[in-house]
Amino acid sequence: NAGVTQTPKFQVLKTGQSMTLQCAQDMNHNSMYWYRQDPGMGLRLIYYSASEGTTDKGEVPNGYNVSRLNKREFSLRLESAAPSQTSVYFCASSEGRGTGSYNEQFFGPGTRLTVL
Amino acid sequence: ELKVEQNPLFLSMQEGKNYTIYCNYSTTSDRLYWYRQDPGKSLESLFVLLSNGAVKQEGRLMASLDTKARLSTLHITAAVHDLSATYFCAVDKNNNDMRFGAGTRLTVKP
Repeated sequence: NAGVTQTPKFQVLKTGQSMTLQCAQDMNHNSMYWYRQDPGMGLRLIYYSASEGTTDKGEVPNGYNVSRLNKREFSLRLESAAPSQTSVYFCASSEGRGTGSYNEQFFGPGTRLTVL
Repeated sequence: ELKVEQNPLFLSMQEGKNYTIYCNYSTTSDRLYWYRQDPGKSLESLFVLLSNGAVKQEGRLMASLDTKARLSTLHITAAVHDLSATYFCAVDKNNNDMRFGAGTRLTVKP
């Protein structure tokens, strides 16, 4: 089992460029998440998908869009990148609330994004 | 709005000493999570606390939850260098919407 995988690992963009971060999990989890991590601020939830076919905004959704492509895959898109979006992005998955599980999250290795 | 506060944010300990990290949250939730992150790495789950008075232990780490006080603690016993990492607590809003604390960067010195 690969767990949660993310691509790319590193990316440099110029202001105004667009890109999509890819995430996939092979644990048959229902729920998936996108976070950003900035120094001194912990992790902040951008969007989450409680189950296939649903997506919801988290704490900091502005400037991002997401697609839950199927149960395995959850992508994050930056339509017009800004320097304020320079961060480390983590994808995570969990069994989901209401499944009787602990709902602990399993994290991918992260994508380090720099916007110039 | 759910807020999660951790303290201290930085902790430097001597090996063999004990210390406690605190996690306060602002609104009702029925579960609390603790994660560990090594420098440059991803996060791994340490504990999930589901009910008031819950206590879980793994090696030198023990976590507890007081839902009435909206407080969780992570107690470190006889610290060793391998425990050096950043520790995060997290709370969900009774759905999948998660909020993390800012993290406690722990350094254990010989």
